[in-house]
Amino acid sequence: AQTVTQSQPEMSVQEAETVTLSCTYDTSESDYYLFWYKQPPSRQMILVIRQEAYKQQNATENRFSVNFQKAAKSFSLKISDSQLGDAAMYFCAYRSTPFQGAQKLVFGQGTRLTINP
Amino acid sequence: NAGVTQTPKFQVLKTGQSMTLQCAQDMNHEYMSWYRQDPGMGLRLIHYSVGAGITDQGEVPNGYNVSRSTTEDFPLRLLSAAPSQTSVYFCASSYSSTRGRGSPLHFGNGTRLTVT
Repeated sequence: AQTVTQSQPEMSVQEAETVTLSCTYDTSESDYYLFWYKQPPSRQMILVIRQEAYKQQNATENRFSVNFQKAAKSFSLKISDSQLGDAAMYFCAYRSTPFQGAQKLVFGQGTRLTINP
Repeated sequence: NAGVTQTPKFQVLKTGQSMTLQCAQDMNHEYMSWYRQDPGMGLRLIHYSVGAGITDQGEVPNGYNVSRSTTEDFPLRLLSAAPSQTSVYFCASSYSSTRGRGSPLHFGNGTRLTVT
């Protein structure tokens, strides 16, 4: 079974600076997807970024980018120019891609990010 | 755009009571699932379904029951509530692996359940 580990329960960063959230995972599959979700105090789950394992190029979405190291099974999220609205719980997640059947999503424990003004 | 609709938003139950959390989606997604979120444990999969009439257990299924009679609806039933079931519950849906490989899950807004 796949597992996802986020080793940083809490992180903080000064507004406008850069912060990196860590995520490692364990799998024997070669084809899969990785995600970062953001959960603000409103409790909504918001997709931040998605990475396909077969794509070597790291995904980016505006101020959010990932460092995907497939051999090391590492998937970190970098937030540049941090803003107060980035304060949230961030979850790393792994999704298998069977030809048929369930694409189950496995989550890490989460990292609570605080932005200091 | 309704997306995934979960009701209720909050619920308080006494030990032994039963209830149903409702979930509906209007995106014609084949895959639907229920998660519970507890501090320090992330989101854990309770039950999931890959289509109408098909359900299966996730990581933490004990004490919960599901059914999928239509594509749109996927209710979660607590048969006899226990304090250990105090949690935040999320319903989520997506396309199947054949229609949308790696498609992200779309989440409802969650239900905060307290069992006393």
